[in-house]
Amino acid sequence: AQSVTQPDIHITVSEGASLELRCNYSYGATPYLFWYVQSPGQGLQLLLKYFSGDTLVQGIKGFEAEFKRSQSSFNLRKPSVHWSDAAEYFCAVYGNFNKFYFGSGTKLNVKP
Amino acid sequence: EAGVAQSPRYKIIEKRQSVAFWCNPISGHATLYWYQQILGQGPKLLIQFQNNGVVDDSQLPKDRFSAERLKGVDSTLKIQPAKLEDSAVYLCASSLPMGDRVYEQYFGPGTRLTVT
Repeated sequence: AQSVTQPDIHITVSEGASLELRCNYSYGATPYLFWYVQSPGQGLQLLLKYFSGDTLVQGIKGFEAEFKRSQSSFNLRKPSVHWSDAAEYFCAVYGNFNKFYFGSGTKLNVKP
Repeated sequence: EAGVAQSPRYKIIEKRQSVAFWCNPISGHATLYWYQQILGQGPKLLIQFQNNGVVDDSQLPKDRFSAERLKGVDSTLKIQPAKLEDSAVYLCASSLPMGDRVYEQYFGPGTRLTVT
């Protein structure tokens, strides 16, 4: 069955520190992969997407993600976190039955 | 370009009452989605439209939930009667039509429903 796993429910990092949010998926073929960010009381905003080609993709707000087929992973990274990055982050995959499947999210707290 | 519009933003009702949510997608987006996001979880697809036809409603609790997209533009999601477990944020999203290509979804701000 299609699934997306975000193993970290909460992560706290200090402002200026680097960030990596983990995402693992299960899907037989090459998936279409997405990362979204959701601020409190807001809808989801697309940060970046991977469809094919270069496995390192750049997104908005200084985020990047790397697709690793061998590990079925699509981890999100940022070299230096800003206080405004505090939000919830969702990984999603477009897969079986032409549907989008979302992970359960990772809440990011940023310490001053 | 205007984004996906949803109303109301917040709604509080008692169990067994009915409620309706409205969504206006981005102009030109033929595909429209309704998601339910329960606190602490990721969005779960309830129903997907392409123009005014239903593509997928396999996870829509049809005994109490209904949705329509007349004229292939805006859409309404209704719950009747509501249960306590329906408390959630209801997200509407739209995209260009899925076919040979996959397009990203654009989300509205959501409607937060509280059932007491």
